[in-house]
Amino acid sequence: NAGVTQTPKFQVLKTGQSMTLQCAQDMNHEYMSWYRQDPGMGLRLIHYSVGAGITDQGEVPNGYNVSRSTTEDFPLRLLSAAPSQTSVYFCASRRTTGQGDTQYFGPGTRLTVL
Amino acid sequence: AQSVTQLGSHVSVSEGALVLLRCNYSSSVPPYLFWYVQYPNQGLQLLLKYTTGATLVKGINGFEAEFKKSETSFHLTKPSAHMSDAAEYFCAVSARRGNTGKLIFGQGTTLQVKP
Repeated sequence: NAGVTQTPKFQVLKTGQSMTLQCAQDMNHEYMSWYRQDPGMGLRLIHYSVGAGITDQGEVPNGYNVSRSTTEDFPLRLLSAAPSQTSVYFCASRRTTGQGDTQYFGPGTRLTVL
Repeated sequence: AQSVTQLGSHVSVSEGALVLLRCNYSSSVPPYLFWYVQYPNQGLQLLLKYTTGATLVKGINGFEAEFKKSETSFHLTKPSAHMSDAAEYFCAVSARRGNTGKLIFGQGTTLQVKP
């Protein structure tokens, strides 16, 4: 299994541009989520999905959209990039929706917005 | 609301010395507890977790942690540090109720291991 994969690894955008961060998992996990990591703040949840066709907001959803048309894929869309969205983005997946289940993280996408 | 506090953003130890990384949580009901490690330019990897049962939990790479309900703590320890342990460590909690799957992370502790 490849686990959780993310593309691209690095991206530089100009303010106002849009883009999609890709995330895929090959473990048939029900639950997927997106986090952003900023220095001194740990990781914060952006959006999550408990199954195909079902998504919901986390604690920092503004400026981001998600969809989940398949079990495997969970893309994150930046609608109009802002410098405040400069961050490292991690996708994670979990086998079930059980809160004690282990979450597996992808390698991350480092995004810079100029 | 739940929260996690990691005491000390940077910890430095000598190779072979004891590693102690502190984590305290705030929650009305004891949550599920996790420790993750992040090596430079990589994603997060689970070290260990506490869900139920024995309060002393053993993880990978010789790490262990003990859940102490009375102290609302879940400190991470390793008897003897190796150079390869240098990384950032995150404590995280997840509520026992609900299905959001949300992990609440501490701010992280960077472990430096000196030769």
